Amino acid sequence: GDSVTQMEGPVTLSEEAFLTINCTYTATGYPSLFWYVQYPGEGLQLLLKATKADDKGSNKGFEATYRKETTSFHLEKGSVQVSDSAVYFCALLLLYSGGSNYKLTFGKGTLLTVNP
Amino acid sequence: ETGVTQTPRHLVMGMTNKKSLKCEQHLGHNAMYWYKQSAKKPLELMFVYNFKEQTENNSVPSRFSPECPNSSHLFLHLHTLQPEDSALYLCASSQARDRYEQYFGPGTRLTVT
Repeated sequence: GDSVTQMEGPVTLSEEAFLTINCTYTATGYPSLFWYVQYPGEGLQLLLKATKADDKGSNKGFEATYRKETTSFHLEKGSVQVSDSAVYFCALLLLYSGGSNYKLTFGKGTLLTVNP
Repeated sequence: ETGVTQTPRHLVMGMTNKKSLKCEQHLGHNAMYWYKQSAKKPLELMFVYNFKEQTENNSVPSRFSPECPNSSHLFLHLHTLQPEDSALYLCASSQARDRYEQYFGPGTRLTVT
């Protein structure tokens, strides 16, 4: 079945460090890929997306490239800030029946803590 | 109020109690969702409503009963829950045509004793 595997946390970094959170997927078809972020005490927010192979999603200094050959969508940021501390979820979306049905599958989430 | 709100934020209930979770969206969306978020497990989609009609029920036990009286409100009625039902319950909304761009509420932290 369709699934998303992301690196287990927690991840702890110092401010201005480089961030990578790995995400790989298994899907029957051609999914769209997403990263969501959940800040403490809040709901999930869409961070970035990519809808086809080689697309790069970017937002707030975060980037992820849809790599079909490695079935990956790793999240990166060049210089993290304390305010980036949150849980990050990788997700994939598959559409069925001509787009009338869909399935959105989430990974387990990775907790990122950034220290000053 | 803006975005998606959920009440209560925290709930402790016994296994014989009956309680309800409430979700309200102020975004003009026409699709609403209930998710269960347990520690160290992927987010689990429970129910989907499009234009007030339930379109998806992911084999959720009948002790969870959703209700969607209009496109802005969504309830989850709870009765005779089990301790393993303790989790964070998240509500989300979207436009039906943009299902990936879901806006989530802050969740209700439920503890079943």
